[in-house]
Amino acid sequence: QSVLTQPPSASGTPGQKVTISCSGSSSNIESNTVSWYQQFPGTAPKLLIYNIDKRPSGVPDRFSGSKSATSASLGISGLQSEDEADYYCATWDDTLNGPVFGGGTKLTVL
Amino acid sequence: QVQLQESGPGLVKPSGTLSLTCTVSGGSTSPYSWHWMRQPPGKGLESIGYIYYTGTTTYNPSLKSRVTISVDKSKNQLSLKLTSVTAADSAVYYCARVGATGYFFYLDVWGKGTTVTVSS
Repeated sequence: QSVLTQPPSASGTPGQKVTISCSGSSSNIESNTVSWYQQFPGTAPKLLIYNIDKRPSGVPDRFSGSKSATSASLGISGLQSEDEADYYCATWDDTLNGPVFGGGTKLTVL
Repeated sequence: QVQLQESGPGLVKPSGTLSLTCTVSGGSTSPYSWHWMRQPPGKGLESIGYIYYTGTTTYNPSLKSRVTISVDKSKNQLSLKLTSVTAADSAVYYCARVGATGYFFYLDVWGKGTTVTVSS
């Protein structure tokens, strides 16, 4: 059971905008920043978003992040077939004094 | 560009010890903190533990009694040891660089991962 809660699946059609949610608590998301990771089958996760809404060099601006209270969201606009992957959120937990992760969301592009 | 490569036995016997190495190339282990993660087949990511640049370690409470993470600066390598393994420890194991810890936590560089199966 993951500390952060994500929907197991999400879907959208090409060109659409999809949003993936990540729910936590006052000891983690509300108190700290959030990062997001993209993982294709058989490959390692890749940093997609950090510090809530910052994109590493090379990540398209179609990807965006936001946070409100105990929840965070990853937005993907102009959905493309190549965006089909698993997405994970992560943050620090002040009570556990360590990082916590979501269970992952499988994004399907219809 | 920093690259990480995990290595170690792909098969470990039950009750044995899992030992993995992560070699850092294109950069140094200092002054960074490092993380070990794992992903059981078809499941999500699980934090195993991490080692700060100071040498201090913190482990997942569920694995704490069995885990040791260390850094060999002279070899530019990290290591992971997990004792008394069972089939539940079968997973892809990743090492990752901590881009920032605490409030700003994120992992900015990941190894490709190595698959470990626990079986007799």
